[in-house]
Amino acid sequence: GENVEQHPSTLSVQEGDSAVIKCTYSDSASNYFPWYKQELGKGPQLIIDIRSNVGEKKDQRIAVTLNKTAKHFSLHITETQPEDSAVYFCAATVGAGSYQLTFGKGTKLSVIP
Amino acid sequence: DSGVTQTPKHLITATGQRVTLRCSPRSGDLSVYWYQQSLDQGLQFLIQYYNGEERAKGNILERFSAQQFPDLHSELNLSPLELGDSALYFCASSVDPGGSNEQFFGPGTRLTVL
Repeated sequence: GENVEQHPSTLSVQEGDSAVIKCTYSDSASNYFPWYKQELGKGPQLIIDIRSNVGEKKDQRIAVTLNKTAKHFSLHITETQPEDSAVYFCAATVGAGSYQLTFGKGTKLSVIP
Repeated sequence: DSGVTQTPKHLITATGQRVTLRCSPRSGDLSVYWYQQSLDQGLQFLIQYYNGEERAKGNILERFSAQQFPDLHSELNLSPLELGDSALYFCASSVDPGGSNEQFFGPGTRLTVL
């Protein structure tokens, strides 16, 4: 089955700096890659996603890139703010009949004011 | 607010007992996914229902069962409970496996087994 590795497990940045989180996946048939943000005591919140026919997608301060050949994708957050502090999860799915997600272990991002 | 509701928010119970977790998907969503989140295993897919029928199974234990009702709400049953079942249980909903892939998560149920 699919396996998703995520790095780093923790990340501290100064407010205003950029943060990058990287994930690799194992199943070359995976075709959908969402990113979730989870704040303490809440459920994961979808923040951005990318499909395998696209190399990059941007939404304001958040961008995701996908390299299908290398089987890795990354989340980029620019101009970080204290409210960006949370745990971020990458995920992947093959999407053949079911879009069950395989998640990475998560990255705890701390933005220092 | 994702539009997905889960009840109860917290459950504290004992080993050997039975619990039922409830999930109501977003209006219009036909698929419900159940995930378990624990410190050691992370977020793991358990089972998916689409329009009342089981669509996919993941790492769901035989002690667990689920169903989706005609009004599309879903229930996850866990019995008999073991200490290791203590975790956060999330459901997520999406429009349709053949349409939008986006899954929206509920706030979760925190289960503590003593």
